[in-house]
Amino acid sequence: AQSVTQLDSQVPVFEEAPVELRCNYSSSVSVYLFWYVQYPNQGLQLLLKYLSGSTLVKGINGFEAEFNKSQTSFHLRKPSVHISDTAEYFCAVSVPYTNAGKSTFGDGTTLTVKP
Amino acid sequence: DGGITQSPKYLFRKEGQNVTLSCEQNLNHDAMYWYRQDPGQGLRLIYYSQIVNDFQKGDIAEGYSVSREKKESFPLTVTSAQKNPTAFYLCASTQGQQDTEAFFGQGTRLTVV
Repeated sequence: AQSVTQLDSQVPVFEEAPVELRCNYSSSVSVYLFWYVQYPNQGLQLLLKYLSGSTLVKGINGFEAEFNKSQTSFHLRKPSVHISDTAEYFCAVSVPYTNAGKSTFGDGTTLTVKP
Repeated sequence: DGGITQSPKYLFRKEGQNVTLSCEQNLNHDAMYWYRQDPGQGLRLIYYSQIVNDFQKGDIAEGYSVSREKKESFPLTVTSAQKNPTAFYLCASTQGQQDTEAFFGQGTRLTVV
């Protein structure tokens, strides 16, 4: 079985500052890794995903994440945040060659960007 | 535009009543899912369906039922047996067995009054 731990439940940050949202996972097999964003009272939207290859993955809205196999981590970063980045962020894993929708999600990190 | 439509967006139910949440997709995806989201928690899988006329229980299926009579539709019924039904419900879909991205609807917020 897989598990996902998002190390920070809430991350406050000032506008234009850098941010890192941390995600660790546990799995006995290789996994796909995802970051999703959820704005209030809306569904989840894919930010980026790691399937294989380069460990640095770039996504939408200026976000990127780095896969670290030895540390079983997939931290999300953005060099300069905007007020509009305020949202909840979910890290997720799935096992290759099974349905991606049947993923295991972390508990989420609430990012609050302050002016 | 292709996507997933959940309705209604807000739903109120009296205790002891069954209620059905709608989920429709026009992405031609094979697999569909229902998740429950509670404050401060991640998404928990209720039911999923990989093909028409077939579905499997997820981690928290008790008190819920589903059907998959058409590829486009995957309604979820919250029965009176569900002890704590107030939550945000999300429907998702994926193309098939080897797909890597889930597409989500906008969610339905159910409140028991």
